[in-house]
Amino acid sequence: SQQGEEDPQALSIQEGENATMNCSYKTSINNLQWYRQNSGRGLVHLILIRSNEREKHSGRLRVTLDTSKKSSSLLITASRAADTASYFCATPTGANSKLTFGKGITLSVRP
Amino acid sequence: EPEVTQTPSHQVTQMGQEVILRCVPISNHLYFYWYRQILGQKVEFLVSFYNNEISEKSEIFDDQFSVERPDGSNFTLKIRSTKLEDSAMYFCASSEWDGRNEQFFGPGTRLTVL
Repeated sequence: SQQGEEDPQALSIQEGENATMNCSYKTSINNLQWYRQNSGRGLVHLILIRSNEREKHSGRLRVTLDTSKKSSSLLITASRAADTASYFCATPTGANSKLTFGKGITLSVRP
Repeated sequence: EPEVTQTPSHQVTQMGQEVILRCVPISNHLYFYWYRQILGQKVEFLVSFYNNEISEKSEIFDDQFSVERPDGSNFTLKIRSTKLEDSAMYFCASSEWDGRNEQFFGPGTRLTVL
């Protein structure tokens, strides 16, 4: 598998339900970042979790990081139709920490 | 809230033509990046730029590509002789420090090569 691989590839839920998305990575990281992309649009930074953090919250978002398993999860609570988008995890690597993205998870929230 | 801007939003060009994609990063940011996303595929790193020089580039970023920061605000990506396979969404990003902090992305330029 490649650095920053998300699962599932697609997720469809009802509005109000929680959505959990997972990301696995291969190499040691300084941090892991989650981004959202609405169809045909740019990438919006959601949250960054550093390697010495285990959990982080931002509004309805909760991110966990398990460096021993090289995995992270993004939980969106009480989902809304507006949360429909693709979600990517990304890890910084290299000299100036370019981001390596996974293939993304397509989340559909049904009203 | 400050944001990264990109122009144009959509560029259509003929194969073999030169294109310049423009970006205005967030003003106090020091690190700049170009990424691209071919339709339906993952976002791929092209190049990073710091202190007026390229700090890292990917295999995609061959001699046909160049970047420039011609003044204190713009950051451009030039493709000298476009190919069909250059058709993609191109994203500019900037970071206050290096990518160990958040990178803020622009809305992208959709490049279509005919």
